Formats: sequence, C-alpha cells, structure tokens
Amino acid sequence: GAVVSQHPSWVICKSGTSVKIECRSLDFQATTMFWYRQFPKQSLMLMATSNEGSKATYEQGVEKDKFLINHASLTLSTLTVTSAHPEDSSFYICSASPGADTQYFGPGTRLTVL
Amino acid sequence: GEDVEQSLFLSVREGDSSVINCTYTDSSSTYLYWYKQEPGAGLQLLTYIFSNMDMKQDQRLTVLLNKKDKHLSLRIADTQTGDSAIYFCAAGSSGGYQKVTFGTGTKLQVIP
Repeated sequence: GAVVSQHPSWVICKSGTSVKIECRSLDFQATTMFWYRQFPKQSLMLMATSNEGSKATYEQGVEKDKFLINHASLTLSTLTVTSAHPEDSSFYICSASPGADTQYFGPGTRLTVL
Repeated sequence: GEDVEQSLFLSVREGDSSVINCTYTDSSSTYLYWYKQEPGAGLQLLTYIFSNMDMKQDQRLTVLLNKKDKHLSLRIADTQTGDSAIYFCAAGSSGGYQKVTFGTGTKLQVIP
C-alpha cells in the first residue's frame, strides 16, 4: 500500500531556532502534498497545499514566512518552522496525494519548542 | 467553507456495535472519509465512500451516507478494546486538488 514517511518523528528545539520536517511518499509519486497541524485534543487544521515545482498555497491565518514549504520533487516535501517559539509546539502531519481520490497520511512529527 | 461536525465522545461495551455520526455542510463534497487516530500516532485511513454511494462495507466496518441530509456514519461491529481511539470524519471536494476538511474527532472508549 501507499506509504508516507515523516522525519523526524519528534524533535525538541530551543526557542529561536529553525526546524525542518521532511515528508516522503515512499512508493508512489505525489502530485500534491498537504501539511496539517494538530493541537492537543483538537482536529487537524490544514496549513498549506503544495504541488511539485510550484509555490505552496497557504490557508488563511498561516504565516508564509514562518512556515516555509518546499515541494522539491514528486516524492519529497519539507516544512521548515523558522524562528520557532513555544506556541509552535504541536503535532505536524503531512499527507500525499497521488491523484484526485484520496490522501495518504504520514505518521506525524511532534515538535516541542523550549 | 465546509464545516464537518461530530459528537465528541462515545462509550460502548466490548462486543457491542459502535456507531459514530458525522454531518457536513458542503453538498458538493465528493469523497467522505473515516480516519482512526491512536494516542500519539498519526492518522490511519479506515475507509472512504464516494458521494454517489449510500453504503460501503469492509469487514467489521459499515459506512452509511445520507447525501440528502449530509449525514455520514461509521458502524463498527463487535467492537474490541483495540478499537479505542479517536475517529475523524472528513469531507473532500474534487477538482484541481482535493481539499479535505476534518471534523473534531469522536473519542471512542471501549469498556471491557
């Protein structure tokens, strides 16, 4: 079946540093990748949608300069949280779509900013 | 925009059936999904149904869709303690790329 991996699975960083999270589709090409954020005991919130080779489309209220998304190839998208602060601590989940019918989710990355 | 709602909590006894309900607002939603999230883990796609179907069965899982009322349900037969998790309903539209809107999730507690 379709597998999506994320790396790292968890990360702890100091306030002010930047953190990069990778999302890979392992056995299929993903024309579109999505980044979600999940706060404790809440649902997922879509942050942005990225298509390979083009700029990401951000949801309203998501800072583009804060959350940098690069979709460099059909199997890799990265999310960089720049100048992270404690309020950025969250569970970040990516998903990849090979086409129009569904999305396959990664296992998530837990970010803790001290 | 799309709004997806679910009840927050459901408690059932082991061996009983569980029914988790979901409503959505966008009648143009083409794909409707059920995801399972275990503690500390990412989402696992359980099943999905196209909007032109009214029922889909997959082993212990039965999905019912009432498109007129924009109501979706997930029935888990013979619920086991391993089914304890948060279940998310999601609605997706087609066209260009698919944007999926998630519900808040229903926490299912299975009592032994």
